[in-house]
Amino acid sequence: KAGVTQTPRYLIKTRGQQVTLSCSPISGHRSVSWYQQTPGQGLQFLFEYFSETQRNKGNFPGRFSGRQFSNSRSEMNVSTLELGDSALYLCASSLVKAMNTEAFFGQGTRLTVV
Amino acid sequence: GQQVMQIPQYQHVQEGEDFTTYCNSSTTLSNIQWYKQRPGGHPVFLIQLVKSGEVKKQKRLTFQFGEAKKNSSLHITATQTTDVGTYFCASYDYKLSFGAGTTVTVRA
Repeated sequence: KAGVTQTPRYLIKTRGQQVTLSCSPISGHRSVSWYQQTPGQGLQFLFEYFSETQRNKGNFPGRFSGRQFSNSRSEMNVSTLELGDSALYLCASSLVKAMNTEAFFGQGTRLTVV
Repeated sequence: GQQVMQIPQYQHVQEGEDFTTYCNSSTTLSNIQWYKQRPGGHPVFLIQLVKSGEVKKQKRLTFQFGEAKKNSSLHITATQTTDVGTYFCASYDYKLSFGAGTTVTVRA
């Protein structure tokens, strides 16, 4: 079966712009979580969605937001981009609620803010 | 939330040797998961441990969960070049919290 698909794979944006990233989970998976990965901070939890509801949110500013659609696809949006937002953004899906079982990660979106 | 600390941060291993990476917490963990991320890749699930004292093996990899459920280890025997990557432990407590990872390089 198809894995977790993230689009686009690479993005270059300018400071102050906004960006939307997309994640299509594995078919049948209803839990989707987003992570930011940087060399300095490692894997940081952004938020988690289950059945179109945000269940949990990490310690990121309000510029980071997300949503989940009825088909479980998820998007995350970052507004007013800053240089420090440059990172690999990873989406993970899980069969059951909230990641207490195996999480399947997508290839990630590499965002560069210049 | 549950915080996990991983040591060492870097592990340089001669091909054929064994090594161990450790994951520690100051609080009791509900479970521990291990992931591997190859250079340029994404984290891939290896295993989950739930029970106190649990030991699981996958070929040359041995995973252990401590009796007090506050630590875990990953031991790799006869290291191969295919073992290169970063190994993360993660614990679930309403979210998956990842350790900083152990980055493994192998000298042929």
